[in-house]
Amino acid sequence: NAGVTQTPKFQVLKTGQSMTLQCAQDMNHNSMYWYRQDPGMGLRLIYYSASEGTTDKGEVPNGYNVSRLNKREFSLRLESAAPSQTSVYFCASSEVGTQYFGPGTRLTVL
Amino acid sequence: QKEVEQNSGPLSVPEGAIASLNCTYSDRGSQSFFWYRQYSGKSPELIMFIYSNGDKEDGRFTAQLNKASQYVSLLIRDSQPSDSATYLCAVTHSTSGTYKYIFGTGTRLKVLA
Repeated sequence: NAGVTQTPKFQVLKTGQSMTLQCAQDMNHNSMYWYRQDPGMGLRLIYYSASEGTTDKGEVPNGYNVSRLNKREFSLRLESAAPSQTSVYFCASSEVGTQYFGPGTRLTVL
Repeated sequence: QKEVEQNSGPLSVPEGAIASLNCTYSDRGSQSFFWYRQYSGKSPELIMFIYSNGDKEDGRFTAQLNKASQYVSLLIRDSQPSDSATYLCAVTHSTSGTYKYIFGTGTRLKVLA
């Protein structure tokens, strides 16, 4: 039982490049989330998915897209990376209120 | 006004003392309240959650909730150097069964040996 897994752990991009962050959970949770964490800003919700086939915007969705591929997987895509997207990205899943986090992806955009 | 506010700290306490971490929230409709611990470079891990007014104890940790004052706190008894971390407060409310979480910016705790 791995919980929530994320790939990659680290990534460096140049401005304008695209990439997809992958997230998977094996806890059979319906809800999944993507956050970014910046110094002094706390965790901010980018997108979330209440169930397979549904996605909704969070607090800071601009510049991102998501796909809920199936119940296990929820991916986050940066179509044209910008330096402002340099951050640590966390995926999380939850059931009945309790949320569990993946190990995070540290992304740097040059 | 931020929806969930925490003092950023650092809060420094000597080993063996009680650490008291505080959090206020603005949405009176908030239903559930969580405390997460985050070590530097790691992901948040759940310590406790509380739904009802009053105290909830789990080992050395006690969560306290006062909905009238929109205030939730975490007490850590017999603080250890290994408790040194950032503590995140989170509140949720449910819409059609989906929980949206709002996090505070966290309080950094330093336990001095």
